[in-house]
Amino acid sequence: EPEVTQTPSHQVTQMGQEVILRCVPISNHLYFYWYRQILGQKVEFLVSFYNNEISEKSEIFDDQFSVERPDGSNFTLKIRSTKLEDSAMYFCASRPTGRSTFFGQGTRLTVV
Amino acid sequence: QQQVKQSPQSLIVQKGGIPIINCAYENTAFDYFPWYQQFPGKGPALLIAIRPDVSEKKEGRFTISFNKSAKQFSLHIMDSQPGDSATYFCAASSGNNRLAFGKGNQVVVIP
Repeated sequence: EPEVTQTPSHQVTQMGQEVILRCVPISNHLYFYWYRQILGQKVEFLVSFYNNEISEKSEIFDDQFSVERPDGSNFTLKIRSTKLEDSAMYFCASRPTGRSTFFGQGTRLTVV
Repeated sequence: QQQVKQSPQSLIVQKGGIPIINCAYENTAFDYFPWYQQFPGKGPALLIAIRPDVSEKKEGRFTISFNKSAKQFSLHIMDSQPGDSATYFCAASSGNNRLAFGKGNQVVVIP
């Protein structure tokens, strides 16, 4: 069964450093998302991406964040200068033309 | 603004029982209501979803009941098993499909 693949599974970084979280969405899906989940809390929307551009972003997705789909298969989330409060599970998700959204296993980001 | 409210926070049931998780939403533009199941350290897995033109949907042991006038929907897990022990999130979206999640509900099924 096709699945959304995320790497790495766990990333530890020092405050102020840049991190790139990588995702391979399900092939033939058209809409791509990043969500995050702070430990013990609900899943929060960050950004949606369609037709090679951001279609919507939340108030969390400030200038420190960026997304890219560099080669037609990968979908990346970059955090330019990480803060302690960026520590969370980051989930990539994708969907086809229908409404069902499928999530990856997540990348646990720990900022120290 | 909490767009989707989920209750109760946690449930403990005996094997074979029927845990029921309730969600309420505020935004009348929402037209798609999925439930996700999440195991520790894993991503949310789509379980079942409903649209507001039906009042009930069943998939296996999982049933969604939907009350459009009350803006509420609920998940019922029939004949619950220990393997159903997980966190369950309700969510909602409108045409742009940004999912708004509830806070989650931990269900524990005791053998």
